[in-house]
Amino acid sequence: GENVEQHPSTLSVQEGDSAVIKCTYSDSASNYFPWYKQELGKRPQLIIDIRSNVGEKKDQRIAVTLNKTAKHFSLHITETQPEDSAVYFCAGDSNYQLIWGAGTKLIIKP
Amino acid sequence: KAGVTQTPRYLIKTRGQQVTLSCSPISGHRSVSWYQQTPGQGLQFLFEYFSETQRNKGNFPGRFSGRQFSNSRSEMNVSTLELGDSALYLCASSPQTIYNEQFFGPGTRLTVL
Repeated sequence: GENVEQHPSTLSVQEGDSAVIKCTYSDSASNYFPWYKQELGKRPQLIIDIRSNVGEKKDQRIAVTLNKTAKHFSLHITETQPEDSAVYFCAGDSNYQLIWGAGTKLIIKP
Repeated sequence: KAGVTQTPRYLIKTRGQQVTLSCSPISGHRSVSWYQQTPGQGLQFLFEYFSETQRNKGNFPGRFSGRQFSNSRSEMNVSTLELGDSALYLCASSPQTIYNEQFFGPGTRLTVL
């Protein structure tokens, strides 16, 4: 079946530095790529999404880039803050369902 | 608006039993999706309901089933529980489709002994 691979599984960065999480997908027909953030003990929440008709989307300190040719997309967080500590999930659509990556635990070091 | 709610929050069952989980979506949302979340596996899609009809189904055995009522509330049933079914079960609602933002409930933590 179709899948989405996410790397790294754990990412530790110094507060104030940037963080990048990468995902690759297998279904060339995928057009919708959301990113969700799940803080410890809480429910996942959408932070940003991108559709295949754009290559990049920004929202304050968060940006997502999409390369449809290479079938990969990335989440970029700049000027990281303690509240960015969480597990981040990427997903891609395939056959009208979302296929999820395994998650990246982002640790912000003070 | 009130958020997505799920009941119960915690369940402990033994192998072979069955369980029913409930999800109340945000008012006005017609799409309800169910996910299984286990450590290191991310979210695995179980099924999606829209207007009382199962619109899509993931790769889970037939022991996993669900339904949706006219008020969009949804239930998920797992029969003949196995140890491997222990997980956090999340439901998510959206206005129409998976291409809208998914609003997640707090989840039901199922432990199978």
